[in-house]
Amino acid sequence: AQSVTQLGSHVSVSEGALVLLRCNYSSSVPPYLFWYVQYPNQGLQLLLKYTSAATLVKGINGFEAEFKKSETSFHLTKPSAHMSDAAEYFCAVSDNDYKLSFGAGTTVTVRA
Amino acid sequence: NAGVTQTPKFQVLKTGQSMTLQCAQDMNHEYMSWYRQDPGMGLRLIHYSVGAGITDQGEVPNGYNVSRSTTEDFPLRLLSAAPSQTSVYFCASSGQGGFTEAFFGQGTRLTVV
Repeated sequence: AQSVTQLGSHVSVSEGALVLLRCNYSSSVPPYLFWYVQYPNQGLQLLLKYTSAATLVKGINGFEAEFKKSETSFHLTKPSAHMSDAAEYFCAVSDNDYKLSFGAGTTVTVRA
Repeated sequence: NAGVTQTPKFQVLKTGQSMTLQCAQDMNHEYMSWYRQDPGMGLRLIHYSVGAGITDQGEVPNGYNVSRSTTEDFPLRLLSAAPSQTSVYFCASSGQGGFTEAFFGQGTRLTVV
């Protein structure tokens, strides 16, 4: 069974600063890993995904994530935060069975 | 291109009432699922379907029923609403394979009083 742990339910950053969101997973098989973003009162949309092609994955809006098997981690980063990055971010894991297991989410606020 | 459409967007029910949350997708996806989102708990899988006529339970299925008579539609039924079912509900669809992107509806905010 898969599970996901997101460290930190809230992260506050200054505009222009690094955004780092942490995600650790457990899975009995090599997983597929995802980051989704949820803007207020909207559904989730995909930021990026890891499917074993490359350990460093680039996504939309300048985000990227690195898969580290030895650390069972898939942390999300963005070098320079923008006000529009304020949202809730979810890490999710899937085996090859369609079902997604989500972390509890991290809310990002961006200070001007 | 509508993607995944959920109705209604908001609903208030009294304890014991029943209702159906509607979900439709126009991407010809085989896999559809229902999640509930509660503060601090992320999204939890209620029921899912891998194709028309095939449904199965997820992590939190109690109090909910589903059916899948067509590829496009996947309604979620609350049999007898309880305050514990107050939540935001999301429907999602995806193509074949665990590596494919899930597309989410806008959500239904349900309050049970």
